[in-house]
Amino acid sequence: GNSVTQMEGPVTLSEEAFLTINCTYTATGYPSLFWYVQYPGEGLQLLLKATKADDKGSNKGFEATYRKETTSFHLEKGSVQVSDSAVYFCALSSDSNYQLIWGAGTKLIIKP
Amino acid sequence: KAGVTQTPRYLIKTRGQQVTLSCSPISGHRSVSWYQQTPGQGLQFLFEYFSETQRNKGNFPGRFSGRQFSNSRSEMNVSTLELGDSALYLCASSQGWAGTNNEQFFGPGTRLTVL
Repeated sequence: GNSVTQMEGPVTLSEEAFLTINCTYTATGYPSLFWYVQYPGEGLQLLLKATKADDKGSNKGFEATYRKETTSFHLEKGSVQVSDSAVYFCALSSDSNYQLIWGAGTKLIIKP
Repeated sequence: KAGVTQTPRYLIKTRGQQVTLSCSPISGHRSVSWYQQTPGQGLQFLFEYFSETQRNKGNFPGRFSGRQFSNSRSEMNVSTLELGDSALYLCASSQGWAGTNNEQFFGPGTRLTVL
């Protein structure tokens, strides 16, 4: 079945460091891929998405490229801020089912 | 435009009881999906309702049920509560049937604790 695997956290970085959170997936067909963010005490928010191979999603300085050859959708940001501290979830939506399949989430801690 | 609202925000129940959670979607949204979030299992899809019909269902026992009203508000019911049902229950709404091009907007969740 479909699944999403993302790197375990917590990931701890200093402010202005480069961020990569790895995400790989298993799916049949052509899924859409998403990154959601959950700030402390809040619900999930869509951060970015990509609906086909080689698409790049970007938002708030974050970006991720849909790589079908490596079945990956790694999240990157060039210079993180303390306000980026949150839990990040990678997810996929298959083209046959549409229900979201979630990764386990990666907690990101940014120290000033 | 108001976001997705969920009530109550916090709930404490004992084993064997039943509970009903409520979700009001963003105005104009017709799809409501429910998710369970636990530290051990992560986020898991429960079900989706669109125009009062259940369109999709996750792998949960029949104790978990839901419904959607004509105004798109949705309720989720869990009967015969078990300790393992303690979780954050998230509701998400989207304009159309939740799919690749219909962004889901999440509410803040209902924290259920079963004692």
